[in-house]
Amino acid sequence: QKEVEQNSGPLSVPEGAIASLNCTYSDRGSQSFFWYRQYSGKSPELIMFIYSNGDKEDGRFTAQLNKASQYVSLLIRDSQPSDSATYLCAGVNTGGFKTIFGAGTRLFVKA
Amino acid sequence: SQTIHQWPATLVQPVGSPLSLECTVEGTSNPNLYWYRQAAGRGLQLLFYSVGIGQISSEVPQNLSASRPQDRQFILSSKKLLLSDSGFYLCAWSVGEQETQYFGPGTRLLVL
Repeated sequence: QKEVEQNSGPLSVPEGAIASLNCTYSDRGSQSFFWYRQYSGKSPELIMFIYSNGDKEDGRFTAQLNKASQYVSLLIRDSQPSDSATYLCAGVNTGGFKTIFGAGTRLFVKA
Repeated sequence: SQTIHQWPATLVQPVGSPLSLECTVEGTSNPNLYWYRQAAGRGLQLLFYSVGIGQISSEVPQNLSASRPQDRQFILSSKKLLLSDSGFYLCAWSVGEQETQYFGPGTRLLVL
């Protein structure tokens, strides 16, 4: 059973702090990884994707991938109350159309 | 730019009634299309995906079915709804292999 695991949270951080969201996956064939943000009652929206080992930065967001450890993370710098949402981690393997989603981590940013 | 539409936005149906949810994509050709269900407080469960007209792959055996009558149209159906069919139904599209999936606004279904 191919799985993507996330701590359900909630993760609570003060405004302006760094939020660190983590994800592990079981399928070593997974090649591409995605982070989505989902506000309550809304559909997921893409934040970032990462294919290569290392860090990828986009504004306040940094995705990190370590394929040897089967670990993906998302750092949110200068967290804002508007970042409060559920963050979904997802992975897809080579040649596949089946993206496996984690159950998500709820993040609360306190003003 | 690409746009994905789903309707209806919300739906309340009695147990045993039929279902038809529609998803259309604009601004792209030959997309891969997906139906997901998200139960309250749970992750996304892939129900069906399609790589072309008339090509449907089912991931979870259940009382739901999907059809793709046109390149950018994806329909989710049921002949008889169950209580367990309640949830948030999301349509998504992507292009190519391993490419990013983009989600529609979703349909919230409550079966009573």
